[in-house]
Amino acid sequence: SQTIHQWPATLVQPVGSPLSLECTVEGTSNPNLYWYRQAAGRGLQLLFYSVGIGQISSEVPQNLSASRPQDRQFILSSKKLLLSDSGFYLCAWTKILGGKETQYFGPGTRLLVL
Amino acid sequence: AQSVTQPDIHITVSEGASLELRCNYSYGATPYLFWYVQSPGQGLQLLLKYFSGDTLVQGIKGFEAEFKRSQSSFNLRKPSVHWSDAAEYFCAVGAGGSYIPTFGRGTSLIVHP
Repeated sequence: SQTIHQWPATLVQPVGSPLSLECTVEGTSNPNLYWYRQAAGRGLQLLFYSVGIGQISSEVPQNLSASRPQDRQFILSSKKLLLSDSGFYLCAWTKILGGKETQYFGPGTRLLVL
Repeated sequence: AQSVTQPDIHITVSEGASLELRCNYSYGATPYLFWYVQSPGQGLQLLLKYFSGDTLVQGIKGFEAEFKRSQSSFNLRKPSVHWSDAAEYFCAVGAGGSYIPTFGRGTSLIVHP
């Protein structure tokens, strides 16, 4: 079966510091990978998605970047965090199934920027 | 492009009462529809999904949803709510050939003892 991991689970960082969040999927190959953010009391905002190694699509211009160095690894980064980067970050994956894709989510990372 | 509306931001029910969470979508063709649940501080868990076939879909944790094309709806139901069902519920719609679903804003379920 497939599993998706995110770490760290919780992170407190000062404004202006760098960020690296990691997401790893096990038990599948060639997944599509996604980064979402949830601000407090709000819905899901798609940040990035990737259909393959080195292929990143950005949905929202922002202070963040994403990379996919390996097939089942997706990294969210920032060079300098802003207060507005605080939130709950979710990684998700899908397996391409001729259009019937279903997203499965990781446990999330809670980021607090102070 | 598809869109999803969850008209209720909050729903309060008593434990043991029945539940219906509303979801309306906008899409020109037959959509793929999903319901997810998110407990506080957790990721989203898939409750059920509809691709085709029987319009009444059974999911985990005793939930079901019914696809009604004429009403563009995919409402989530449960006959008897448990206190552990208190969570945020998200409806999502995916279009055939698109691997980026559109999520609703979510409905927060509060369960009174």
